[in-house]
Amino acid sequence: QVQLVESGGGLVKPGGSLRLSCAASGFTFSDYYMSWIRQAPGKGLEWVSYMSDSGVTIYYADSVKGRFTISRDNAENSLYLQMNSLTAGDTAVYYCARQGSGSGYDLESWGQGTLVTVSS
Amino acid sequence: SFVVTQPPSVSVAPGKTARITCGGNNIGSTTVHWYQQKPGQAPVLVIYYDSDRPSGIPERFSGSNSGNTATLTISRVEAGDEADYFCQVFHNTNHPGVFGGGTKLAVL
Repeated sequence: QVQLVESGGGLVKPGGSLRLSCAASGFTFSDYYMSWIRQAPGKGLEWVSYMSDSGVTIYYADSVKGRFTISRDNAENSLYLQMNSLTAGDTAVYYCARQGSGSGYDLESWGQGTLVTVSS
Repeated sequence: SFVVTQPPSVSVAPGKTARITCGGNNIGSTTVHWYQQKPGQAPVLVIYYDSDRPSGIPERFSGSNSGNTATLTISRVEAGDEADYFCQVFHNTNHPGVFGGGTKLAVL
């Protein structure tokens, strides 16, 4: 079955950097758009970024544009999120999610998330 | 950008029907998906493309979308349905996922 396992979260100081990873299994990774979604403690969901199956099409939320970089390695079945210039506002659980194969950008499978805490 | 509004909470007795709304200007012209999130867990897709159900989701879950309101309906509510529910509006590829603020469903 589909499995998505995030890693790389932790405590980082403001202005610092972190790289999140998402290991995918149970499906043909290279066939799917993949996304990063975050959820601040006790808050709602925010779509951070997505990347197309080929890696050609990329989206970033305005809140992270210029600071975060999404990438993927289809040979390694992995998705990444490089996060730079982190602020307290980036504190959240970060989920890796697989988008559906249609055009509606539904998020049909999610990982369990990795917590990123930005604090001095 | 597209603004989406959900009621913060909905309460329902077991066995009754819960309706959770997602409001937005002419939301009926967009595509809406719904997610269930239980405490400490990742969200789960329960309705996609307004009214379709992924495999494994009970028939008690249904959706509709028209005019300025999309609705998630849960029939014959069970204690296990207690969770936060988020709607997601797909408007266009430049704004792929505008999420509502979430609705906490309480089963009395």
